[in-house]
Amino acid sequence: DAGVIQSPRHEVTEMGQEVTLRCKPISGHDYLFWYRQTMMRGLELLIYFNNNVPIDDSGMPEDRFSAKMPNASFSTLKIQPSEPRDSAVYFCASSLAVTGRNFGPGTRLLVL
Amino acid sequence: GESVGLHLPTLSVQEGDNSIINCAYSNSASDYFIWYKQESGKGPQFIIDIRSNMDKRQGQRVTVLLNKTVKHLSLQIAATQPGDSAVYFCAEGAYNNNDMRFGAGTRLTVKP
Repeated sequence: DAGVIQSPRHEVTEMGQEVTLRCKPISGHDYLFWYRQTMMRGLELLIYFNNNVPIDDSGMPEDRFSAKMPNASFSTLKIQPSEPRDSAVYFCASSLAVTGRNFGPGTRLLVL
Repeated sequence: GESVGLHLPTLSVQEGDNSIINCAYSNSASDYFIWYKQESGKGPQFIIDIRSNMDKRQGQRVTVLLNKTVKHLSLQIAATQPGDSAVYFCAEGAYNNNDMRFGAGTRLTVKP
């Protein structure tokens, strides 16, 4: 198993641009999570899905952030428009119910 | 201006010594706990978990202790190796749902 796959691994963009982060969870896992990690705030849960349905998006910072899961093997996190304060490492993780999450390698986002 | 970030607690040990990393959790209703290891440039990696009906669980070279009375969790690493150098996070939550909250982390440095 390749584990959770995220792309791109690094993204540098300019303020105001749209950013799309992608995630492929581990096959068979029915939970998918998006996290953001910064030095200021540590690891924050943004949103999670169960069977492709968003369950809790209370961690999404604001309307500029949106996440979708069109099928069991793919999810996107979109920021539009991006701002410098969005610079962080974004992790996708997947799990079976009530087991430890498997994290992807992360996407390092820098918004100039 | 200067940014203020999380100042992670730091533990420095000699190779071969045992390490103990502590975590105080906040919610007395939490009944499921996980320890993660995050190496530089990587996503968090599951180490070991414990449910609240246990006070000790052992894995390979690691032991997790849970003291529900004082809401304290610890991770013991036996015969610490340079490869154990990482940031260690505890996470707390409910076993019957996926709302796990991560602590700030502790940086473990192993001196050869």
